[in-house]
Amino acid sequence: DAGVTQSPTHLIKTRGQHVTLRCSPISGHKSVSWYQQVLGQGPQFIFQYYEKEERGRGNFPDRFSARQFPNYSSELNVNALLLGDSALYLCASSSGRNTGELFFGEGSRLTVL
Amino acid sequence: GQQVMQIPQYQHVQEGEDFTTYCNSSTTLSNIQWYKQRPGGHPVFLIQLVKSGEVKKQKRLTFQFGEAKKNSSLHITATQTTDVGTYFCAGDTGANNLFFGTGTRLTVIP
Repeated sequence: DAGVTQSPTHLIKTRGQHVTLRCSPISGHKSVSWYQQVLGQGPQFIFQYYEKEERGRGNFPDRFSARQFPNYSSELNVNALLLGDSALYLCASSSGRNTGELFFGEGSRLTVL
Repeated sequence: GQQVMQIPQYQHVQEGEDFTTYCNSSTTLSNIQWYKQRPGGHPVFLIQLVKSGEVKKQKRLTFQFGEAKKNSSLHITATQTTDVGTYFCAGDTGANNLFFGTGTRLTVIP
């Protein structure tokens, strides 16, 4: 069975642009979470979605938004990119609504110039 | 706001030595999880602790959850080069998010 898949794996954007990152959870998992990991730091929680509804939101500005589709895949959108948005964006899936074991994807490495 | 701190930030050990990382939360947790991230990789789940004072073992790894459910530790006995990576604790306050700690980066010298 495939694990959590994310796309693209790497991308370069310039300040002010927007970006869309995609995630497909493990088959059967209904919960998707997004994390931002800046180099040398731990992952920071951005969003959690369960059954297409937002269940949790971290301390990120409104430039960050996400959604979950009927097939449980998810998109993370970031508008008006800043240099500080450069990071590894990790998607994690889990089977239940409450936070349990997270299965992470390989991540999308975003560089903002 | 919620903070999860880990110490030490870095640890270099000789292969065969023991290693311990400590995790402290500013608030009481419903459970705590531990993850390992290899260089260039993604976090991989190791274990979840739920009960106050809980101790769990996985081969050479021993995990503890404090009585007050605000701290935790991971101890590795007789480290091997395959143990290299960054170890993160992640605290769950019950609000559908995990707060990851600052991580401890382990280097094992052969």
